[in-house]
Formats: sequence, C-alpha cells, structure tokens
Amino acid sequence: DQQVKQNSPSLSVQEGRISILNCDYTNSMFDYFLWYKKYPAEGPTFLISISSIKDKNEDGRFTVFLNKSAKHLSLHIVPSQPGDSAVYFCAASAGNAGNMLTFGGGTRLMVKP
Amino acid sequence: GAVVSQHPSRVICKSGTSVKIECRSLDFQATTMFWYRQFPKQSLMLMATSNEGSKATYEQGVEKDKFLINHASLTLSTLTVTSAHPEDSSFYICSASSSAIQETQYFGPGTRLLVL
Repeated sequence: DQQVKQNSPSLSVQEGRISILNCDYTNSMFDYFLWYKKYPAEGPTFLISISSIKDKNEDGRFTVFLNKSAKHLSLHIVPSQPGDSAVYFCAASAGNAGNMLTFGGGTRLMVKP
Repeated sequence: GAVVSQHPSRVICKSGTSVKIECRSLDFQATTMFWYRQFPKQSLMLMATSNEGSKATYEQGVEKDKFLINHASLTLSTLTVTSAHPEDSSFYICSASSSAIQETQYFGPGTRLLVL
C-alpha cells in the first residue's frame, strides 16, 4: 500500500510558465514533507520542505503548499526553466520515525524552451 | 548545504564477487544513514537504516546477510553486496541525517552496480 503517491508520472510545461507537481498521502502521522529533485544517475537533491503546522513555504521560484485535510501537497515552480527538467520526488516523514522518509513514485518534469 | 559522498560511483563485477560501497558525510556528523536502491524508472526503495554504533534495521524483503551494512563512525557507512548476482545490478544511493539538520536527509550521488 503506497502511503505517498504522485499520480502523474510525467508533466510537460513551456518555459516561463508555472509547473505544478502534486502529491497525495494516506498516513495521518506524517508531519513533515519534502521535495527532492533528481537527475539521471545522480542522488536526489533537497529542494524545499514544509512542516504540518504550516500550509505554505516559499523559497525563490519554489513554493510548496500543504492541505492537511485533503492530505495533499503540491510544488509550484514559477517561472519554469529548462534546467528544472528532472524527476521530482515528494517524501514524507512522521515525527516518531527517526527521520525515515517515505517517497512517492516521482514525476518527470520536462520544461520546453 | 550538507555534502554526502559515495565511492565508487560505478562498479562492474563478476557474478559471485562481493562489492563494498562507501558513504561519507563530509561536513557534518551523521547519526543516521540510509541506504536506498533504485531500479530503472522507479522510485527509491529504502533498504535499511543504520545508526552509528548499532546494527542496521532492514526493511522487509531485504536480506541482511546479502546486504551487509556497517556504520562504524559518524561520518562513514558501508554497504557490502555479498556474492553479487546480475539481479543485484542497480543504482544504490545513500543518505545521511543528523539531529543538527533535523528531518532533512542529504543524499550521496549514488553508485551504479553492474554484475556480469
């Protein structure tokens, strides 16, 4: 049973437009959420995170929104750039799980020039 | 940000041999290190969690006698794939975290293992 799901395996966006990547979770114990970016044959790079006490966190072009009632989070990238093309993973952790992360399946973002 | 390195980045070995992969946290002390495996076009699969100085905790379905993990110091963890077989060919990634960087895990660049 997947506790973290990214239902869109891929997303294509025009350069300059907004990219919205979605993530849903089922475990109500999750209280910290993270987004990672991954290029082929490289390890994931941490992008942005959000605690369950917040509903929004912004860092430059990246904003993460959390809707706890819907158990849904999203990553907004604006404006999108070709260099943003990568696979994006959302991950979640529960406070009592010792930093253990549960990953979604990933969404491949392609930003077209 | 925190830097995690892995060595080697790529290894090719014959079936039946053992391969050791090192994971180092370069600028922080990692109280916990994680080992993941990624199959092509799939998500990261957590294999095991190791805390410095104690035995690793393996996820269900991961053979602890096949994937030996040692976390001897706060900056080094090793994964040894014993008697490797072609089905062990994969991309292995480690990550590290500590109380100083809270819940964020920082990932190494990964190791591509190909078993012939």
